[in-house]
Amino acid sequence: AQTVTQSQPEMSVQEAETVTLSCTYDTSENNYYLFWYKQPPSRQMILVIRQEAYKQQNATENRFSVNFQKAAKSFSLKISDSQLGDTAMYFCAFMNGPGMSSSYKLIFGSGTRLLVRP
Amino acid sequence: NAGVMQNPRHLVRRRGQEARLRCSPMKGHSHVYWYRQLPEEGLKFMVYLQKENIIDESGMPKERFSAEFPKEGPSILRIQQVVRGDSAAYFCASSPPPGLAETQYFGPGTRLLVL
Repeated sequence: AQTVTQSQPEMSVQEAETVTLSCTYDTSENNYYLFWYKQPPSRQMILVIRQEAYKQQNATENRFSVNFQKAAKSFSLKISDSQLGDTAMYFCAFMNGPGMSSSYKLIFGSGTRLLVRP
Repeated sequence: NAGVMQNPRHLVRRRGQEARLRCSPMKGHSHVYWYRQLPEEGLKFMVYLQKENIIDESGMPKERFSAEFPKEGPSILRIQQVVRGDSAAYFCASSPPPGLAETQYFGPGTRLLVL
């Protein structure tokens, strides 16, 4: 069974600085997708960024970028120029790609609570 | 284009009562997923449905819980005879058919409190 591990329960960063959140996963599949979701105090789940496993190029979305290391099964999120509005829980998630046994469910890590300090 | 809608946003039930949670997917989305988030934990998959069809219910407790996504109307997650351990946030997500786009978009959640 696939698992997702986020080993940092809490992180703190100064406004305008850069922070990296770690995520590792375990799978025997070759085709899959990885996601980072943000959950602010409102508890709404907001998609931050996604990565297809077959793509070697790391995904970027404005101030958010990932470091995808397929061999190491690592998928870290880098937030540049941190803003107060980035304060939230961040969840890493895994989804199997198309296949006979795929149900496209998301498997989430336990989350990292990020605090951006003014 | 409205996002995923869930109602009610907050629901209070006494032990033994029934809870009905509703989810209307985004326009054009035919696939619905339900997740549960216990306090201070990540989201856990419960069930995946297409219209009139349950695809994967491997994460849903065998007793008291059921889900449906009828041809017309919202998807419903039903919890019978609720217990205090059912208190959680229940999130619905929707997506287009897999193969077209795999990203799931989440609703605001329903916070269930069982007294």
